[in-house]
Amino acid sequence: TQLLEQSPQFLSIQEGENLTVYCNSSSVFSSLQWYRQEPGEGPVLLVTVVTGGEVKKLKRLTFQFGDARKDSSLHITAAQPGDTGLYLCAGNFGNEKLTFGTGTRLTIIP
Amino acid sequence: NAGVTQTPKFQVLKTGQSMTLQCAQDMNHNSMYWYRQDPGMGLRLIYYSASEGTTDKGEVPNGYNVSRLNKREFSLRLESAAPSQTSVYFCASFSSYTALDTQYFGPGTRLTVL
Repeated sequence: TQLLEQSPQFLSIQEGENLTVYCNSSSVFSSLQWYRQEPGEGPVLLVTVVTGGEVKKLKRLTFQFGDARKDSSLHITAAQPGDTGLYLCAGNFGNEKLTFGTGTRLTIIP
Repeated sequence: NAGVTQTPKFQVLKTGQSMTLQCAQDMNHNSMYWYRQDPGMGLRLIYYSASEGTTDKGEVPNGYNVSRLNKREFSLRLESAAPSQTSVYFCASFSSYTALDTQYFGPGTRLTVL
């Protein structure tokens, strides 16, 4: 069973600060996704990264895939209260099944 | 285009009762999935269906059965509910048409077993 570890588990910061959350595995991903989940809703896809070393930007969010395709990070610049939510990484190991990390619960304090 | 829909949204059962969670997607996806989400545990795959007529076990299948009724619908059944099955259940469908391996999730069913 492939495991994905996310850190930190909880993060609470002031509006305007920067933050980074991490997703790590001992196995190589064929692709990795980041989702955001808000209370009472299902996860919503933010980005998919496929190539080792790939960097993708989505407004203030920057996603990086490790060179060895075993880890990924999500960096948020100038966090806003609307960024509050549960961030989940999910790895695809070459089939149509995703393995999800345990999540990082992010709270942005106004 | 409703995406992925789930019913019911909330359910309370007594230990030993049975129920079926319904899921439907209108995106013509081949693959569908059932997950459960528990605090601190992330999303764990219960069962999935790669195509109509096929189902396979995921990480935590014990106590559940599934039916892929047709391409649109994928149901999850609890034959004899147990308190350990208290959780939030999500259905998802999968599209690889854009080669981006996107899973689309429903809004979830919050189940409490007393």
